[in-house]
Formats: sequence, structure tokens, C-alpha cells
Amino acid sequence: DAKTTQPTSMDCAEGRAANLPCNHSTISGNEYVYWYRQIHSQGPQYIIHGLKNNETNEMASLIITEDRKSSTLILPHATLRDTAVYYCIVRVAMRNRDDKIIFGKGTRLHILP
Amino acid sequence: NAGVTQTPKFRVLKTGQSMTLLCAQDMNHEYMYWYRQDPGMGLRLIHYSVGEGTTAKGEVPDGYNVSRLKKQNFLLGLESAAPSQTSVYFCASRSTGVETQYFGPGTRLLVL
Repeated sequence: DAKTTQPTSMDCAEGRAANLPCNHSTISGNEYVYWYRQIHSQGPQYIIHGLKNNETNEMASLIITEDRKSSTLILPHATLRDTAVYYCIVRVAMRNRDDKIIFGKGTRLHILP
Repeated sequence: NAGVTQTPKFRVLKTGQSMTLLCAQDMNHEYMYWYRQDPGMGLRLIHYSVGEGTTAKGEVPDGYNVSRLKKQNFLLGLESAAPSQTSVYFCASRSTGVETQYFGPGTRLLVL
């Protein structure tokens, strides 16, 4: 799986859009970009994923650059409950063997009241 | 639909004691996983299962055993607990053909 680079921490004011960047310059053509988050003391939670097109769901939007070397997760109206560690993961989909998710250290997002 | 549940939520063991952690999912998922997470670190895969009756080793399998006798349950056993196994244990599951894993709330284990 390609390596990802994320900022260690970020702050965002409540009600504003939170934009979390992720660099994955060695991504290969069949690797997807996944975002999970982990709220303190809870299990990781899937947010969104994409291959090359921008994606949106009820939780967030994912913007992937045209060269696919970086992406941005957007939480459109951040709330205090969005305070968590956000993990950007790049991996080939639908593997059946050695199927592990490498979470890395992620970005610690603080939503400020 | 409870998703993925784990029992117990918290446990304290003495060195050398044994215990079993239970993971249950009601989503009819084929794949199930056990991870451990140590402070300030990401998740590391202990064992996983691609279906009922099958198990496989992950990154850090030593000191643990698993069983998947029923599709909805995945058990993680510690035969002789060691302080190095103090951690938070997460179970996850996913459906065949869908990459997204769904995680349980975690079990905090302290081995003294």
C-alpha cells in the first residue's frame, strides 16, 4: 500500500468547514483513498473513499487531485463531535489475503467552540 | 441492528491468567478481524477470518489464538496473559465485495 503523509494536528472553528489534507504521491492506479476517523476511546469509523472522482456522502466530501497524488477530506460544517483523529489510508480494494489496514498516526482534529 | 459488539468492555488480568474476548456482528459479514491499539499508535492486525471455520495470522499473532465457529462470532483468546498484552482490542467486520470495515467499541485490557 502507498504511504500517506498527514499533518499531525489541526484546529477548526465550530460551524466552519474542516479541510484535512493527505499526500499520497506514490499511489498506484488501482489504489483507493480511504478516510476513517477515531473519536476518543471508540473504534475507528469509516467516513468515505474514492478512486479518482470526487465523492460526497452524508458525512463528508473527498476531493482527489487530478494526478491523484493528494486528497482533501472536507467536513462542511464541523461540530464539536467531529473532534477526532482522522486517518487517510491508501490501499488496493478487494484483497482477500494479508488484509490489514495500516492506520498510521493520522491528523488530530480539534474543533474549537 | 447492533453492528459490531464486543464483550467485555474492560478487564484486568494477572500475568499468566487466560481469557477470551468475544466479538459479535449481526450484519452477516464474511470477514472479521482482531486488532490491538497501543497508546499513540495505529491499529495492528492480530488475526483475521475470511469465513466461518477459517482463521489466519496477521501482523502480531504471537500469544493469541482465535476461533470462528459461527459466522457471526469471532473469539480472541489469551492463554497466558503478559503485561505486553495490555492494550485496547478492536474487532471489525466487512462484507465480501465491500472494502469498508466496521469496528466495534473496543475492549480495554490491563495485564498486571
